[in-house]
Formats: sequence, structure tokens, C-alpha cells
Amino acid sequence: NAGVTQTPKFQVLKTGQSMTLQCAQDMNHNSMYWYRQDPGMGLRLIYYSASEGTTDKGEVPNGYNVSRLNKREFSLRLESAAPSQTSVYFCASSEPIHSSYEQYFGPGTRLTVT
Amino acid sequence: AQTVTQSQPEMSVQEAETVTLSCTYDTSENNYYLFWYKQPPSRQMILVIRQEAYKQQNATENRFSVNFQKAAKSFSLKISDSQLGDTAMYFCAFIVSGTYKYIFGTGTRLKVLA
Repeated sequence: NAGVTQTPKFQVLKTGQSMTLQCAQDMNHNSMYWYRQDPGMGLRLIYYSASEGTTDKGEVPNGYNVSRLNKREFSLRLESAAPSQTSVYFCASSEPIHSSYEQYFGPGTRLTVT
Repeated sequence: AQTVTQSQPEMSVQEAETVTLSCTYDTSENNYYLFWYKQPPSRQMILVIRQEAYKQQNATENRFSVNFQKAAKSFSLKISDSQLGDTAMYFCAFIVSGTYKYIFGTGTRLKVLA
């Protein structure tokens, strides 16, 4: 049982390049999330998917797109990376009713945009 | 809008001593969940303790306990018998029942001193 996995763990991009962060969970959770973590700002929600087939914006969605590929996978895409998107990105999943809203987090991706 | 405030950016405590991390939140809702997450240097987010707002009894998990004051909208974390492995960033988080948007505080960096 791997929990929540994320790839890659580290990435360096040049301004304007694109990339997709991958996330998968094997806990059969309905809800999945993408956060970014910046120093002094805690975790901020980028996008979430309440269930397969649905996605919604969080607090800081600009510059990002997401795809809920199936129940297991939820990807985050940066179409044209900017230095302001340098951050640590976390994917999380939860099954609100059955686990009292506990979120399970992946190990994070450290992204640097130069 | 819901908010979570952690007013202590950094704290330190001697090994074996007790430390309390503070968290306040703001909401007009009555049913919600509160969490403390730990993020050690490995970056992995780990749930420390959870409190359901409808429960008056404070949650306890081994050396970790909370002081939940619903009227004051306060949710502090007490760590007893602090250990070197407790050195980490601690995040307070909140979610309204029936919703999907978690709100995180900005974190408190705790250092346990030998």
C-alpha cells in the first residue's frame, strides 16, 4: 500500500516551459487535492477534485490546470512556467465521510523555475 | 471567509519539557473539523491529531493533546515530554463539514533542544 505517490520529486524549469506533475493514490479515495507550499504562507489549495469527473478551483488556481484522469490519478499542469511558481507542490487525497476528513499527503515535488 | 492563524512562527523547547502551540480560527459554521499536521525535515505531512467540533472532549494521542475552546475559536496543541523527533513544522488546519476546502495556517517551526 503506497498511499499517495508523486512524480517527479524535483524539477527545474526555465521560464515559459511546461510540465505536468503526476499524482496517484491507491486508497480508493474519492477526493484529491493539489497544494503549493511557500515559506511563511503555509499550504494553499490550487485545485481539488471532489470525485472522479469533477474539478474545482481552490485559492490560487491561476497558471495551473488539472486533470482527474480516473479515480486514482490527479495531475497538475503548468502550461507556461513562471518564477512565481517556484514552490513545493503537494498532492493529497481523502475520503471525507469514512475517515473524518483526514488528508493523506504525497512526498511533495520541489519545483524551481529560473 | 474562514481563516486559520498561527501566531508563533518559531518556538523551541528543551527535551522532556512541555510546549504549547497556538492556533485560532474564524468561521460562522457550527460543524467542522480541526487538525494538527506535522512536517519534519523529510517534508512528509503527517497527521498528529484531529478534533471534531461537535465533541466537547479534547482529543489526545499519546504525548499530544489539544485544548479546544469552541466559543473562543481556539485550538492549541500541547506536546508533553518533548523528544528530538518532534522537531518539525506544525500546521493547524480546518475544514467545514460537507465541504472540500481545507484551510491551513502558516505554520509554527518547533525545535526541540537536547
